[in-house]
Amino acid sequence: RKEVEQDPGPFNVPEGATVAFNCTYSNSASQSFFWYRQDCRKEPKLLMSVYSSGNEDGRFTAQLNRASQYISLLIRDSKLSDSATYLCVVNPRSHYGGATNKLIFGTGTLLAVQP
Amino acid sequence: EADIYQTPRYLVIGTGKKITLECSQTMGHDKMYWYQQDPGMELHLIHYSYGVNSTEKGDLSSESTVSRIRTEHFPLTLESARPSHTSQYLCASSERVGGGSEQYFGPGTRLTVT
Repeated sequence: RKEVEQDPGPFNVPEGATVAFNCTYSNSASQSFFWYRQDCRKEPKLLMSVYSSGNEDGRFTAQLNRASQYISLLIRDSKLSDSATYLCVVNPRSHYGGATNKLIFGTGTLLAVQP
Repeated sequence: EADIYQTPRYLVIGTGKKITLECSQTMGHDKMYWYQQDPGMELHLIHYSYGVNSTEKGDLSSESTVSRIRTEHFPLTLESARPSHTSQYLCASSERVGGGSEQYFGPGTRLTVT
């Protein structure tokens, strides 16, 4: 089982739609969570961090459910420029319970916003 | 914008050649990373460094090697390139001590070994 699992999509949505992605992680002791955005043939860039209390940035809302070990990303009022691959990223704890500097990336969910 | 650079951006090279992929950052970050990503697949960590003279292998086994003689520079070397090394190589850096800080990525090097 992969440490981070995402639905690869593609999610084809019309402009203005609301779309949500989920991601599950296997390491229950994981301590930090992020959503990155990766455009086609480009490098990943941080979209937002995911806090226990949730996080909202404009049209984007991220939530964490530790009990069920999943994080979500909600995009409201989709724009054409939102078309990209959204990567779920987890910072796991080490076998000894300590912090690590590693990030585990999901395969990403492809979003295509249609005009 | 992140100040992290990779050269070359694209490289097509024959089997058996030695290659070095360059990565430099001007942010003074202690931690640097190399990832490998195939099309449509997730990033896999192949090397990382927590500072000068510190290098570790990542989660994905790789025949490449790295060095960290200067804080800003983290080159990756393949002594003898093979077609199986064809992939995109992404360099990243981060600053915060402990886990969970944002990683800044360079634009990547697309390597094709013929």
